[in-house]
Amino acid sequence: DIVMTQSPLSLPVTPGEPASISCRSSQSLLHSNGHTYLDWYLQKPGQSPQVLIYLASNRASGVPDRFSGSGSGTDFTLKISRVEAEDVGVYYCMQALQLYSFGQGTKLEIK
Amino acid sequence: QVQLVESGGGVVQPGRSLKLSCAASGINFNNYGMHWVRQAPGKGLEWVAVIWHDGSNKNYGDSVKGRFTIARDNSKNTLYLQMNSLRVEDTAVYYCARDNARADEYYGMDVWGQGTTVTVSS
Repeated sequence: DIVMTQSPLSLPVTPGEPASISCRSSQSLLHSNGHTYLDWYLQKPGQSPQVLIYLASNRASGVPDRFSGSGSGTDFTLKISRVEAEDVGVYYCMQALQLYSFGQGTKLEIK
Repeated sequence: QVQLVESGGGVVQPGRSLKLSCAASGINFNNYGMHWVRQAPGKGLEWVAVIWHDGSNKNYGDSVKGRFTIARDNSKNTLYLQMNSLRVEDTAVYYCARDNARADEYYGMDVWGQGTTVTVSS
């Protein structure tokens, strides 16, 4: 089974400042088809999760361009260039290479 | 309007069964795989099960394998989760989600329901 590990688990951020979340997988998420099966999801308070990034670096439809995903193999990063109040919630990475598994979640809060 | 609506949650005793439903609208249901994902109170997301667009393949998380069964009825645009031998640790909000993947294209779990709550307690 692929284990996903996120850090930090808690992230206080001042509005307008950047934020970064790390995600590491226990094995490479690179498929033989060339795609890397790593997604990022955001669960805002009281809401269902929503996809932000798929295939490590592709923004989902409607996601603001202040969100970006990067990384390869086993190490991935979600970056928010300038945090806004509406970005609060819990961010999860998820691998979809071998079945599916989520990271523990990173709670982003506004300072 | 793209929508997934879960139902069937409730309070059930340990060892009993419960069946969840997820009604889809506006998403071309029979073209997509579908997932169940759950979230225990105050905890993170846990993937539960997936079923291919035509029902030909199903996979389960280790914690539910042998107890839960995922199914779908494409004529009714509905996804199901039959949960047997329920345990206290199955207490969670259960979400259904669309798997937006076809051929070599993949866009993640891009449509989610609002969730239905299952409480397993004596």
